[in-house]
Amino acid sequence: AQKITQTQPGMFVQEKEAVTLDCTYDTSDPSYGLFWYKQPSSGEMIFLIYQGSYDQQNATEGRYSLNFQKARKSANLVISASQLGDSAMYFCAMREAGATNKLIFGTGTLLAVQP
Amino acid sequence: NAGVTQTPKFRILKIGQSMTLQCTQDMNHNYMYWYRQDPGMGLKLIYYSVGAGITDKGEVPNGYNVSRSTTEDFPLRLELAAPSQTSVYFCASSLGDFPLAFFGQGTRLTVV
Repeated sequence: AQKITQTQPGMFVQEKEAVTLDCTYDTSDPSYGLFWYKQPSSGEMIFLIYQGSYDQQNATEGRYSLNFQKARKSANLVISASQLGDSAMYFCAMREAGATNKLIFGTGTLLAVQP
Repeated sequence: NAGVTQTPKFRILKIGQSMTLQCTQDMNHNYMYWYRQDPGMGLKLIYYSVGAGITDKGEVPNGYNVSRSTTEDFPLRLELAAPSQTSVYFCASSLGDFPLAFFGQGTRLTVV
């Protein structure tokens, strides 16, 4: 069965420092996609970054990068130069096998950026 | 560009009552989804649809029903509300040929 694991319930980081949020996944499907979403206290789900299983390079979007290690089945999110507005819950998700684009979510990591 | 719109944003139900959560999208996405998020947890899939007239169960479908009569709308029906259905409900949509899901703002439902 496919599964996403986020082992860090909560993390602190100092403003302007980089932080890595861990995500490991389990799937036997060779074709899959990995996502990171941000959920601020207001509750909406904000897409941050996507990595396809066949992508040769790690995805980057501004201050967000995805450290994709296929052999280790990990897809860690790196946030550089943290800002106070980065304080939120972060979810790792994987597209399920098949053509329906269903997502499987991890339990999330709550990030608190300290001034 | 509205994206995915959910109504209502908040609702309190009494045990045994019924209600419909509305979801509409204006991006002409063929795939739509309903997820629920329990406190401190990730999202779990309730139902999904790959096109008008086609729906299927997700991981946690019990107590819910859906319909998809148009591409734009995907309402979620709760029959005989129970306290276990207290949750935040998210509707999402995506195109079939690209997996990125766009989410609505969520509906916070409390059953008392």
